[in-house]
Amino acid sequence: DAGVIQSPRHEVTEMGQEVTLRCKPISGHNSLFWYRQTMMRGLELLIYFNNNVPIDDSGMPEDRFSAKMPNASFSTLKIQPSEPRDSAVYFCASSRGTVSYEQYFGPGTRLTVT
Amino acid sequence: DQQVKQNSPSLSVQEGRISILNCDYTNSMFDYFLWYKKYPAEGPTFLISISSIKDKNEDGRFTVFLNKSAKHLSLHIVPSQPGDSAVYFCAARTQGGSEKLVFGKGMKLTVNP
Repeated sequence: DAGVIQSPRHEVTEMGQEVTLRCKPISGHNSLFWYRQTMMRGLELLIYFNNNVPIDDSGMPEDRFSAKMPNASFSTLKIQPSEPRDSAVYFCASSRGTVSYEQYFGPGTRLTVT
Repeated sequence: DQQVKQNSPSLSVQEGRISILNCDYTNSMFDYFLWYKKYPAEGPTFLISISSIKDKNEDGRFTVFLNKSAKHLSLHIVPSQPGDSAVYFCAARTQGGSEKLVFGKGMKLTVNP
């Protein structure tokens, strides 16, 4: 079975540019999570969706960040405009919701903003 | 304010010995705890979990112990193998229906051959 798929795996962009990260959850999972990992703050939840509906976006750092889930098999995290402090590894994870609390993570996207 | 704390950043053990990874939490509303393992350039992978109504859960070489009164949990790996070398994260879920997990900052385990 395919796991969570993220693209791109690496992204290098200049400050001020728009960045879009993509995620395909595991088929049959109905919850999707976006995390950011940095040395200072560790692994922190940005937003999560259940059945394509955003449930908790309290971790989204500011209005420059937005996330969408137009259907059960695709989600995007967009940063516009990007800043050097956004440099981090961004993970997408999915789960079967309240049936099981285990979340399955993708390989991550390493974002570098210069 | 860190609600899940892994106070030791690293641990080094010999192959075949026991590895004990510790985790403390401050939120008494946490009702489910998980351990994840992460290799470099990969996402975290689920390892083992425990509900707050239990004090022990075992899966092969991995055992998680929960001490609710001390707000402490630990992961025991016996026997440790070089392939266990990774960063281990402790995570917790708040009761009430949210699926949000709060993660510790991780601990790097090195198992020497």
